Amino acid sequence: GDSVTQMEGPVTLSEEAFLTINCTYTATGYPSLFWYVQYPGEGLQLLLKATKADDKGSNKGFEATYRKETTSFHLEKGSVQVSDSAVYFCALSSFNKFYFGSGTKLNVKP
Amino acid sequence: SAVISQKPSRDICQRGTSLTIQCQVDSQVTMMFWYRQQPGQSLTLIATANQGSEATYESGFVIDKFPISRPNLTFSTLTVSNMSPEDSSIYLCSVASGGGVQETQYFGPGTRLLVL
Repeated sequence: GDSVTQMEGPVTLSEEAFLTINCTYTATGYPSLFWYVQYPGEGLQLLLKATKADDKGSNKGFEATYRKETTSFHLEKGSVQVSDSAVYFCALSSFNKFYFGSGTKLNVKP
Repeated sequence: SAVISQKPSRDICQRGTSLTIQCQVDSQVTMMFWYRQQPGQSLTLIATANQGSEATYESGFVIDKFPISRPNLTFSTLTVSNMSPEDSSIYLCSVASGGGVQETQYFGPGTRLLVL
């Protein structure tokens, strides 16, 4: 069945470091792909999305490219801030069902 | 995107009691979803609630334990019945917006439940 696998955390970085959080997926159809962010004590917020192969989603300095050949949707940011500390969830939508990864906790230290 | 509110934002309950969580959306939506997020875990879909029909429950979740109401296109409730400490979780309401490949889920802020 459809599924999402993302790298385990926690990931700890210093401020201004480069961030990559890996996400790969398995899907029978042509899914849309998402990254959601959950700040402490809050619900999930949509960070970015891509709906077809080679699309790049971007928001708040974060980017992810829909790679069909490697079935991946890795999240990247060139320079993280302390305020980016949160849990990041990769997700896919296929045939009106959503599948979420296990979440990756990011800690950014000043 | 939709703006979603939930009540209560958090609660501490005694085992054996029930809690009803409310979810309000600022626009009319066809599909609403209820998720559970256990501590440090990902999201697990409890059920899908469509207005005017019975909710559809995922494997492992039953109506007697998690009854859901969907009286109109902007509101839903989830009740956690006969609670035990294992029900301590964050309960999240979400809605689907857009259609086809543009469909996106938007989430409420969650209800943090602790059962003693």
